Amino acid sequence: EAGVAQSPRYKIIEKRQSVAFWCNPISGHATLYWYQQILGQGPKLLIQFQNNGVVDDSQLPKDRFSAERLKGVDSTLKIQPAKLEDSAVYLCASSTGQVQETQYFGPGTRLLVL
Amino acid sequence: AQSVTQPDIHITVSEGASLELRCNYSYGATPYLFWYVQSPGQGLQLLLKYFSGDTLVQGIKGFEAEFKRSQSSFNLRKPSVHWSDAAEYFCAVGGKTGANNLFFGTGTRLTVIP
Repeated sequence: EAGVAQSPRYKIIEKRQSVAFWCNPISGHATLYWYQQILGQGPKLLIQFQNNGVVDDSQLPKDRFSAERLKGVDSTLKIQPAKLEDSAVYLCASSTGQVQETQYFGPGTRLLVL
Repeated sequence: AQSVTQPDIHITVSEGASLELRCNYSYGATPYLFWYVQSPGQGLQLLLKYFSGDTLVQGIKGFEAEFKRSQSSFNLRKPSVHWSDAAEYFCAVGGKTGANNLFFGTGTRLTVIP
């Protein structure tokens, strides 16, 4: 079974530029999560999708971050404009959507904002 | 509100020695608890999880964890550490909807010396 795929793996941009990350979850997984992991910290949930609907985006800085999952499969997370403090690893995870399910994580995208 | 504390930022053990990583949580009801491991450049992999029942949980790679409600703890243990266990370990507590909305601790980095 293929795991969660993410691209790109690394990205370096200058502040005020825009960037987008892509995630392809495990086939059949209804729930998709985006986490931000700043160096030295644990992952923090940014947004959770159930199929193509948003379940929780309370921690998403909506003035600069946006995410979509148009067909209930792949998802894109965008930052525009980027700030220095956005430097982090962005992790995508997916699960079946049932209660007490396990979240499966992708390898992450490491973003450096200069 | 949910929170997780991992008091040890970095632990060094000798190969073959026993290991215990500490995790304390704060949650108003019966928690859902998880341990994940993250190797360099990799996503998070689930080691084990506790939802209910037996308070001693067995996981993959020879790890186990014990849920102690009276101490609000969920410590991870392994009787004999292998060099390949060197990684970052994260404890997490599930949110009010179960395994969704994971709240992670800041992690413990494990170094294994030969």
